[in-house]
Amino acid sequence: NAGVIQTPRHKVTGKGQEATLWCEPISGHSAVFWYRQTIVQGLEFLTYFRNQAPIDDSGMPKERFSAQMPNQSHSTLKIQSTQPQDSAVYLCASSLGPGDSGNTLYFGEGSRLIVV
Amino acid sequence: GDQVEQSPSALSLHEGTGSALRCNFTTTMRAVQWFRKNSRGSLINLFYLASGTKENGRLKSAFDSKERYSTLHIRDAQLEDSGTYFCAAEAYNMGYKLTFGTGTSLLVDP
Repeated sequence: NAGVIQTPRHKVTGKGQEATLWCEPISGHSAVFWYRQTIVQGLEFLTYFRNQAPIDDSGMPKERFSAQMPNQSHSTLKIQSTQPQDSAVYLCASSLGPGDSGNTLYFGEGSRLIVV
Repeated sequence: GDQVEQSPSALSLHEGTGSALRCNFTTTMRAVQWFRKNSRGSLINLFYLASGTKENGRLKSAFDSKERYSTLHIRDAQLEDSGTYFCAAEAYNMGYKLTFGTGTSLLVDP
């Protein structure tokens, strides 16, 4: 069990550029979550998918941020026209799915995005 | 508003002693999870509770949905327990997304 795999681990991008982050959930897990961690805001929910379908994107900034899950083995978080305030550690997590302890989340190591 | 209030924000323990971390909730929660951030920055799941208590080694957690709190007890603290601990909770009306506490930075010294 390789755990949740996130790439890249670190990314430095210039203001206005696009950044795409990838997540490979644990095989067999039906739910994938994206969170963002900053010193000021702590851990913030962004969006989640179940069985590849978007369920809740209430935490996503309405402009510039988008997430997709084209197949069961990976999800992407794309940030267009990056801004310095987008700098954060972006965390992906997966879970078996709702049910008794089924929503136990397993996190990846995160992608640290720095916008300069 | 903030739904999860975690305390203390920082805790220092001598090796072999114990203490408790606490999360209070401003609304009724369906379940709570506790995590520890490891040396690589990953959040490691310690417990998932929908009710009652669970124990794993020197860690024990409790969750009372009605009273709106959860605790994480650490006994016989070891140096390797140092790190940042987070609670996170699922609200009944918020799907399955977690709202995180602000974390407790634990330092265990000899």
